[in-house]
Amino acid sequence: DAKTTQPTSMDCAEGRAANLPCNHSTISGNEYVYWYRQIHSQGPQYIIHGLKNNETNEMASLIITEDRKSSTLILPHATLRDTAVYYCIVQTGANNLFFGTGTRLTVIP
Amino acid sequence: DAGVTQSPTHLIKTRGQQVTLRCSPKSGHDTVSWYQQALGQGPQFIFQYYEEEERQRGNFPDRFSGHQFPNYSSELNVNALLLGDSALYLCASSPQVGLNTEAFFGQGTRLTVV
Repeated sequence: DAKTTQPTSMDCAEGRAANLPCNHSTISGNEYVYWYRQIHSQGPQYIIHGLKNNETNEMASLIITEDRKSSTLILPHATLRDTAVYYCIVQTGANNLFFGTGTRLTVIP
Repeated sequence: DAGVTQSPTHLIKTRGQQVTLRCSPKSGHDTVSWYQQALGQGPQFIFQYYEEEERQRGNFPDRFSGHQFPNYSSELNVNALLLGDSALYLCASSPQVGLNTEAFFGQGTRLTVV
């Protein structure tokens, strides 16, 4: 039970911002929103996570709505290397992650 | 820091055989989780080890078992292999159970059952 809903696929032009949405309407108060990505045939890579406040790191920004029922991952300047499957995960800890099918992001030259 | 390392990278086994996969966690991490990823699907949680004990388990049969050693490395064992066990097996490590921090994944072991 992945607890999240994501679009199956998205395209983004190289150099533009990629905005990946995620719905998690049943999220509980102590559950964090995690984002990972998986480039073909590699292990998933952590991107960012947050509880209620917006977060930013060197890779991306995470915007969580005030009611916490949805979030958006923003890659500010997408490159071809950002082409991957992006997973939005709601979980109480980092140690047992329930992945859904994710969003396949394709960055177009 | 070598990160999470898994061995072997690829493996071919015959139906009915047994297999052991190995994982060394990232330096400083004491919690190891295992995942199975079938082709075209997201990873599925198998189980998690902390302090040499299985702490949580996903919806996998008893044919899947594991072990964690005092140095925090871990093994995943699968008995009586089925064709449906063919998948990418991923190991992830993190520091301490229950803390909200990121998990680091290895590159996986690709198991093919023929």
